[in-house]
Amino acid sequence: SYVLTQPPSVSVAPGETARITCGGNNIVNKAVHWYQQKPGQAPVLVIYYDSDRPSGIPERFSGSNSGNTATLTINRVEAGDEADYYCQVWDSSSDHGVFGGGTQLTVL
Amino acid sequence: EVQLVESGGGLVQPGGSLRLSCAASGFTFSAYNMNWVRQAPGKGLEWLSYISTSSTTIYYADSVKGRFTISRDNAKNSLYLQMNSLRDEDTAVYFCAKVCSGSHCVDYWGQGTLVTVSS
Repeated sequence: SYVLTQPPSVSVAPGETARITCGGNNIVNKAVHWYQQKPGQAPVLVIYYDSDRPSGIPERFSGSNSGNTATLTINRVEAGDEADYYCQVWDSSSDHGVFGGGTQLTVL
Repeated sequence: EVQLVESGGGLVQPGGSLRLSCAASGFTFSAYNMNWVRQAPGKGLEWLSYISTSSTTIYYADSVKGRFTISRDNAKNSLYLQMNSLRDEDTAVYFCAKVCSGSHCVDYWGQGTLVTVSS
């Protein structure tokens, strides 16, 4: 089965740039989606199709996908960005949805 | 406004059954594929099941295949998850999730319903 690997945690100071990676075999060939989840809340879609932003998501959030790694980038990080972030793909070889293990973003 | 409201969670003994429901509103339910996703306490998200608009295509995660059954009633704007042979490891918050148009992302989530499997 397809596996997505994320770092358990990323820490960044306010105003800096946070980069959260999502590793998978030839992930460049898949559409990667990213979700933000704050404690006690449902996830929120922040990036879909590698780099598209849903309406209402700040331009500070961007995504990229190349080779074996997809990346969620958050520019000018704010305290309110502190959350868990999950990447997700659809594995068409098994017809299964797949989530990464999640990354806890801490704003110092 | 899109709303997804899950119900049916609760405490159940190992080996027992539960049926979760998800009431959808604010969009044309029959036009969108749907997912169930769960999250064990303190753990990450786990995709469970997918159902197409007319229920002709259904997929399950290996962890629940043969025990859980996804279904929908487009006339009632409702999604269901029948859970049988429940195990301790099925304890989680279960989310109903609307699949993006033309993709497999999830653009709307319910608030979730907690299922606790314990004796």
